[in-house]
Amino acid sequence: NAGVTQTPKFQVLKTGQSMTLQCAQDMNHNSMYWYRQDPGMGLRLIYYSASEGTTDKGEVPNGYNVSRLNKREFSLRLESAAPSQTSVYFCASNAGVSQPQHFGDGTRLSIL
Amino acid sequence: AQKVTQAQTEISVVEKEDVTLDCVYETRDTTYYLFWYKQPPSGELVFLIRRNSFDEQNEISGRYSWNFQKSTSSFNFTITASQVVDSAVYFCALSDNTGNQFYFGTGTSLTVIP
Repeated sequence: NAGVTQTPKFQVLKTGQSMTLQCAQDMNHNSMYWYRQDPGMGLRLIYYSASEGTTDKGEVPNGYNVSRLNKREFSLRLESAAPSQTSVYFCASNAGVSQPQHFGDGTRLSIL
Repeated sequence: AQKVTQAQTEISVVEKEDVTLDCVYETRDTTYYLFWYKQPPSGELVFLIRRNSFDEQNEISGRYSWNFQKSTSSFNFTITASQVVDSAVYFCALSDNTGNQFYFGTGTSLTVIP
């Protein structure tokens, strides 16, 4: 009964390093999402993928890239990490339009 | 532009009191979807309810109830007889007519004091 699985759960990077956050869902959902959560800001959408093979920008895409590897997996890459990208990152998926999102447990990322 | 406003940043109530969390939204779409999520101290996000723009019926689930009013663009959440386990951050969210873009409010942190 895994749902949405994110790895890693914690990571510390130095400015300029690169990193890929992994996300996988086992619910056969078409749509997947990446959010960041910052204090006082709520959740902000970085990128989403409405179906396998498609990706689109959300509200705050700058500094990030994504890959929808297959229907199950949606990864988020930071090419050159910056301290402003210190945040908690959540991956989510849903079955389609109007359906509630299921969230992973989050990745706490600190960039020094 | 789509926007969700949760003006209450933090609320504290004593156990067994009723509490209402406010949510006001902005959208130009005629079809849209509204959600509430709970984030307990452990950090996960838990789905509570979904409402589409054509269904203005209020909903009750146990101690939880939701009041959707299109006339005031509000989707408020009431917890009756609050309990310590209700302590969490609650997020209201809006999905556009494509169902792809989700807009979250900044959240209301609820503390229930025993």
